[in-house]
Amino acid sequence: GNSVTQMEGPVTLSEEAFLTINCTYTATGYPSLFWYVQYPGEGLQLLLKATKADDKGSNKGFEATYRKETTSFHLEKGSVQVSDSAVYFCALSDQTGANNLFFGTGTRLTVIP
Amino acid sequence: DGGITQSPKYLFRKEGQNVTLSCEQNLNHDAMYWYRQDPGQGLRLIYYSQIVNDFQKGDIAEGYSVSREKKESFPLTVTSAQKNPTAFYLCASSWTGKSYEQYFGPGTRLTVT
Repeated sequence: GNSVTQMEGPVTLSEEAFLTINCTYTATGYPSLFWYVQYPGEGLQLLLKATKADDKGSNKGFEATYRKETTSFHLEKGSVQVSDSAVYFCALSDQTGANNLFFGTGTRLTVIP
Repeated sequence: DGGITQSPKYLFRKEGQNVTLSCEQNLNHDAMYWYRQDPGQGLRLIYYSQIVNDFQKGDIAEGYSVSREKKESFPLTVTSAQKNPTAFYLCASSWTGKSYEQYFGPGTRLTVT
């Protein structure tokens, strides 16, 4: 079956620190992979995505590379800001055409000045 | 502006009452989804619909019902049969087919007492 495992939080970093949030997945076939971000009290926003092996998704200084050999899609940012404080979700989409998403449990990031 | 709207933002109901959550999109997406989010957990799929007048149960459909009479609308009814209805409910939409991301609404926080 399809599943996503994320590193547990919460994660607290100082401003300008390096961020890594680990994400591994189990899937049949070749899923697409996503990172979503959720700010307090809001819905989810797509942060980046990758649709095939070795693809790198990037947006707003965040990056993640689709690693088929390690079934991973780790999120990284070189220098975090206070405004990056949010909950980050890793997700994969099934390949049945229904486009259903399978989410990890989320990782809460707090960046302190 | 294109997007997804959910109303109301906050909803309070007494136990034993049915309640309907609204979800509207003007993105011309074929597929729509309902998720439930509980504190510290990922999103769980309640129902999804890929086309008007058709919908499918997700992982936790018991105690919920939906309709899809119009492409842009996908209301969710939380019935009195749902044992733990208090949660944050998120609606999403997307193009059908593989690899498309889902776009999320701002969510409705339902509290049942």
